[in-house]
Amino acid sequence: GDSVTQMEGPVTLSEEAFLTINCTYTATGYPSLFWYVQYPGEGLQLLLKATKADDKGSNKGFEATYRKETTSFHLEKGSVQVSDSAVYFCALDGGATNKLIFGTGTLLAVQP
Amino acid sequence: DTEVTQTPKHLVMGMTNKKSLKCEQHMGHRAMYWYKQKAKKPPELMFVYSYEKLSINESVPSRFSPECPNSSLLNLHLHALQPEDSALYLCASSQPTGLAGGPLAKNIQYFGAGTRLSVL
Repeated sequence: GDSVTQMEGPVTLSEEAFLTINCTYTATGYPSLFWYVQYPGEGLQLLLKATKADDKGSNKGFEATYRKETTSFHLEKGSVQVSDSAVYFCALDGGATNKLIFGTGTLLAVQP
Repeated sequence: DTEVTQTPKHLVMGMTNKKSLKCEQHMGHRAMYWYKQKAKKPPELMFVYSYEKLSINESVPSRFSPECPNSSLLNLHLHALQPEDSALYLCASSQPTGLAGGPLAKNIQYFGAGTRLSVL
């Protein structure tokens, strides 16, 4: 079945460092791919999305490119801030079932 | 506006209580979802309503009873819960998925802030 694998955390970075959180997927067809962010004590917020191969999703300085050849959707940001500290979930659209398939989540801690 | 509103934000209940969680959206979405999230884990899907009809029940115990009174509202009725049911309960909404597996298929779910439930 469809699945998402993302890198284990926690990821600890200093402010202004470069961020990469790896995400790979297994799916049939052409799933849409998402990154959600969950700040402490809050629900999930859609961070960015890509609906087809080679699409680049971007928002708030974060980017991710849908790579069909490597089945990947890695999240990147050039310069992280303390306010980016959160849990990041990679997810794919499970097709006609209306299900989202989530990765295990990666905790990012940014230190001043 | 991509807001999904959940009430209450926090709920403490005993194992013999009956309570309800409420979720509301005004984005015209016709699919609504309940998830359960334990600490440091991803959300686990519980129920999906599509066009106000229950389309997915992920083998959830009957002490959780969902209800979708109209296209904007989703309730989760709770009765005789166990301490292990303590968790963050998230509601989400989206448009129902389009072509299965095709390039137009999309399932952009918007989440509420959740209800943090403690069962004593």
